[in-house]
Amino acid sequence: EADIYQTPRYLVIGTGKKITLECSQTMGHDKMYWYQQDPGMELHLIHYSYGVNSTEKGDLSSESTVSRIRTEHFPLTLESARPSHTSQYLCASSEWGGETQYFGPGTRLLVL
Amino acid sequence: GESVGLHLPTLSVQEGDNSIINCAYSNSASDYFIWYKQESGKGPQFIIDIRSNMDKRQGQRVTVLLNKTVKHLSLQIAATQPGDSAVYFCAEKWDTGRRALTFGSGTRLQVQP
Repeated sequence: EADIYQTPRYLVIGTGKKITLECSQTMGHDKMYWYQQDPGMELHLIHYSYGVNSTEKGDLSSESTVSRIRTEHFPLTLESARPSHTSQYLCASSEWGGETQYFGPGTRLLVL
Repeated sequence: GESVGLHLPTLSVQEGDNSIINCAYSNSASDYFIWYKQESGKGPQFIIDIRSNMDKRQGQRVTVLLNKTVKHLSLQIAATQPGDSAVYFCAEKWDTGRRALTFGSGTRLQVQP
């Protein structure tokens, strides 16, 4: 089982609040990813990083931002949460030379 | 039973039967494909992968078949068990440009006891 962790697992928050979703991996993987997934639907890439100080936007436009100050940590921040941000957010990582991505358990976000 | 992917998002099979889940991928230049299993409330879990220079790969109770001519990928699960009930996603990696995986829409597998 992959050693990738996400906190919180569930979050209910009011509109306008700033939130940070945490993702950490202990595998030393260079590449990390954030996906957004609505229930039963496909995964959409919103951010990825190929190493420290490297971040790129994914396919799905997102108002969230990410940072990669340490290899093992890839937090995602929403400055002002809105009900349209309600979804599940999945973090993943992979080795530099590998394509297999290992996923965390996800954070289910509900914005009221 | 057999799924046609987008046109049949739920596949229901009897315990002990073989399951076949299909996926049509989008990019003829994709060079790597992967199947994930996602149980309710969990993140996707790696099942099996295959590179474009192969047409078949076997794992424990699972086989992936790749038909590049028609851009089709299938996952076969032998002797399906209740624990196999989940949503299954295929994903592809394009060999140029985009460097991350592109996921399909998923098929829900329901195993009847």
